[in-house]
Amino acid sequence: DAGVIQSPRHEVTEMGQEVTLRCKPISGHDYLFWYRQTMMRGLELLIYFNNNVPIDDSGMPEDRFSAKMPNASFSTLKIQPSEPRDSAVYFCASRPVNTEAFFGQGTRLTVV
Amino acid sequence: EDQVTQSPEALRLQEGESSSLNCSYTVSGLRGLFWYRQDPGKGPEFLFTLYSAGEEKEKERLKATLTKKESFLHITAPKPEDSATYLCAVRGNQGGKLIFGQGTELSVKP
Repeated sequence: DAGVIQSPRHEVTEMGQEVTLRCKPISGHDYLFWYRQTMMRGLELLIYFNNNVPIDDSGMPEDRFSAKMPNASFSTLKIQPSEPRDSAVYFCASRPVNTEAFFGQGTRLTVV
Repeated sequence: EDQVTQSPEALRLQEGESSSLNCSYTVSGLRGLFWYRQDPGKGPEFLFTLYSAGEEKEKERLKATLTKKESFLHITAPKPEDSATYLCAVRGNQGGKLIFGQGTELSVKP
């Protein structure tokens, strides 16, 4: 398996624009997580899914953020409208039941 | 609320100088404590899982241990290639999420 695949790797956008980050989890994994990493706050959990169903979205900072998992092999994290303080590295991770999580390479988002 | 605190924030060692990284945690019903390594520009890479106090795991120069309140990552005779940020995370019984600490940035100089 190629591991967790995220796209794009880098995204630069202007404030107010919509941004969509994409993730393909490892096949057969039941859980999918979206994290955000900054120097100040470290790795923060935004939302996670179990069998394509959102379980906990308490980490989503505002209504500007939304996440979907339409099927077992694809998830998106959308920010609309984007703001400079959203600049961070966004990671997607997946795992089977009761084992460790595997992370993608991340998407570095810069909002100018 | 589940919480993880790592110390020190940064650690500089000379090659061959052994040391330990600390991870203190509070969690409702520990389902696993995880150590990850993260290199610049990359995603975290899994190292170890510990499930119960007294458990130990080893991999090359790394050894992870666990008590009821903290975990240590011991690095024996480190090499420059061990330089990275080491992250600790816990999973409790309140769902399947992993909560991470802030990490320890390790630098090993030749």
